[in-house]
Amino acid sequence: EPEVTQTPSHQVTQMGQEVILRCVPISNHLYFYWYRQILGQKVEFLVSFYNNEISEKSEIFDDQFSVERPDGSNFTLKIRSTKLEDSAMYFCASSEVRTGREQFFGPGTRLTVL
Amino acid sequence: AQTVTQSQPEMSVQEAETVTLSCTYDTSESDYYLFWYKQPPSRQMILVIRQEAYKQQNATENRFSVNFQKAAKSFSLKISDSQLGDAAMYFCAYISQGGSEKLVFGKGTKLTVNP
Repeated sequence: EPEVTQTPSHQVTQMGQEVILRCVPISNHLYFYWYRQILGQKVEFLVSFYNNEISEKSEIFDDQFSVERPDGSNFTLKIRSTKLEDSAMYFCASSEVRTGREQFFGPGTRLTVL
Repeated sequence: AQTVTQSQPEMSVQEAETVTLSCTYDTSESDYYLFWYKQPPSRQMILVIRQEAYKQQNATENRFSVNFQKAAKSFSLKISDSQLGDAAMYFCAYISQGGSEKLVFGKGTKLTVNP
């Protein structure tokens, strides 16, 4: 069964460093998403991406964040200068349609900022 | 803005018994979808069950069923004949039909299944 994959599973970085989190969505899906979950808190929406551009973003998704689909399979989240409060679990998801159907989630990348 | 509340941080159930997980939500929209996602330890979230708001009939998927009360904005999940493999975090989630495409999640309920 097709699934969303994410790499790495765990990333440790120093404050101020750039990180890139990678995701491979399900191949026939057109809509892509990033969510994050700070330990003990809710899963929060960051951004959605369709047709090579951001379709929606939350207040969390400021200028430090960017997303890209560099080729036909990968979908990346870049954090330019990490802060301690960026430590969280980051989930990628993809969907065939815009809304109403299941968003398929990856296993997540645990980001630890020291 | 829409919010989803899961008031039970943890629940436990005996194997083969039935358990109900609670979820309430707040929205001014009339068309939306509700989901229950399951996240086993160190595994990805998978969809358990989905409910369209315009449908009065409660969704069921094998041992999983929901009690959808639109007027009360309540969406509880019932797991019958609980199995050890049901142990996981369960997240209730909301998505608008025509507006925002983001899922809005509750904080989750950790379900333990005792043998």
